[in-house]
Amino acid sequence: GESVGLHLPTLSVQEGDNSIINCAYSNSASDYFIWYKQESGKGPQFIIDIRSNMDKRQGQRVTVLLNKTVKHLSLQIAATQPGDSAVYFCAEIGSGGSNYKLTFGKGTLLTVNP
Amino acid sequence: KAGVTQTPRYLIKTRGQQVTLSCSPISGHRSVSWYQQTPGQGLQFLFEYFSETQRNKGNFPGRFSGRQFSNSRSEMNVSTLELGDSALYLCASSRQGANQKLFFGSGTQLSVL
Repeated sequence: GESVGLHLPTLSVQEGDNSIINCAYSNSASDYFIWYKQESGKGPQFIIDIRSNMDKRQGQRVTVLLNKTVKHLSLQIAATQPGDSAVYFCAEIGSGGSNYKLTFGKGTLLTVNP
Repeated sequence: KAGVTQTPRYLIKTRGQQVTLSCSPISGHRSVSWYQQTPGQGLQFLFEYFSETQRNKGNFPGRFSGRQFSNSRSEMNVSTLELGDSALYLCASSRQGANQKLFFGSGTQLSVL
């Protein structure tokens, strides 16, 4: 879900569990979506992307699902590890004149407990 | 291949001063974008450059400006600094910019006192 200011949505999981991070986007014209991971003191790191003509894409331990009907994106992380602890952002790129900029969600803080 | 490099890593300025931040994109990347990250507003788009031309601009005042050089390196400048300009400034690069994944640097942490 969305949040304001310092109150990021948080997700706490046990090591080895699967994690699901959700994101709602607002622009129905967006046609490219990216998930980023940001660790403390670092810039966002690319995880996986998906285009609007797809509804699922898999990477190594990660899967992104796109539901354009309800404008919802999710990131699934399999066998979550302590190194996965970070803030996760979804980002969208619109079409036409706005297709050069990413619009980021507020982020979700994932904490993995050993 | 080296990643996106931003300098300086940390910067402390006082109100009213101006600041210039630098970004070197990944080799071969011609698009450079700048973002501001704060706890209150999250990640917000500042502007994007491609082949020395600004193609898109976010909703920031004119105190925020940028440029790109022929070697794709980019700088952003903030004049007449305000306390609210304290933020992490992130640079990202991609080959063409449009509808492509962006690779981010580690950012410049600017503190305005």
